[in-house]
Amino acid sequence: AQSVTQLGSHVSVSEGALVLLRCNYSSSVPPYLFWYVQYPNQGLQLLLKYTSAATLVKGINGFEAEFKKSETSFHLTKPSAHMSDAAEYFCAVTPPFAGGTSYGKLTFGQGTILTVHP
Amino acid sequence: DAGVIQSPRHEVTEMGQEVTLRCKPISGHNSLFWYRQTMMRGLELLIYFNNNVPIDDSGMPEDRFSAKMPNASFSTLKIQPSEPRDSAVYFCASSSFDPNTEAFFGQGTRLTVV
Repeated sequence: AQSVTQLGSHVSVSEGALVLLRCNYSSSVPPYLFWYVQYPNQGLQLLLKYTSAATLVKGINGFEAEFKKSETSFHLTKPSAHMSDAAEYFCAVTPPFAGGTSYGKLTFGQGTILTVHP
Repeated sequence: DAGVIQSPRHEVTEMGQEVTLRCKPISGHNSLFWYRQTMMRGLELLIYFNNNVPIDDSGMPEDRFSAKMPNASFSTLKIQPSEPRDSAVYFCASSSFDPNTEAFFGQGTRLTVV
């Protein structure tokens, strides 16, 4: 079975500061990994995904994440936080099966609420 | 494309009543997923379909829950009878078999059972 642990249910940063949201996974084989963002009263939007290609993945809105197999981690970073980044962020994992259905059969972490202070 | 469309956005019902949540996936997508989001359990997969066929319903909490996908453009999640502990946000998502795409989520239905 696969699982995801997000360290820190709440992270607070100042505008312009580095954003670091932590995600560690547990899997018998290297999985596919995703970061989704959820704004209040909205659905989930994909930020970026790792599917066994480059280990450093760049996503939308200036976010990026690095897959580190040795650390079983997939931390999300952004060099400079913006007020509009305030939201809840979810790390998710899926087994690396062929075919697109695996990309929707996701196991999510518990989420990290990001607060950005002016 | 309008994305994944869910209705209603909000539903308030009394305990014991039947509740039906609806989802229209993105046209051309082959897979449809129902997720539930609660404070206690986070986001959890309830059931998913491939080409309108239920593949895995192991996440459905009880027999009170049922889901159908009569055609490629419509799915329902039904709770009968509803209970207060079913209160949650229910998300529908769809994806294709293209490995270069991902699952797209609807805006969710917030269900409150009183």
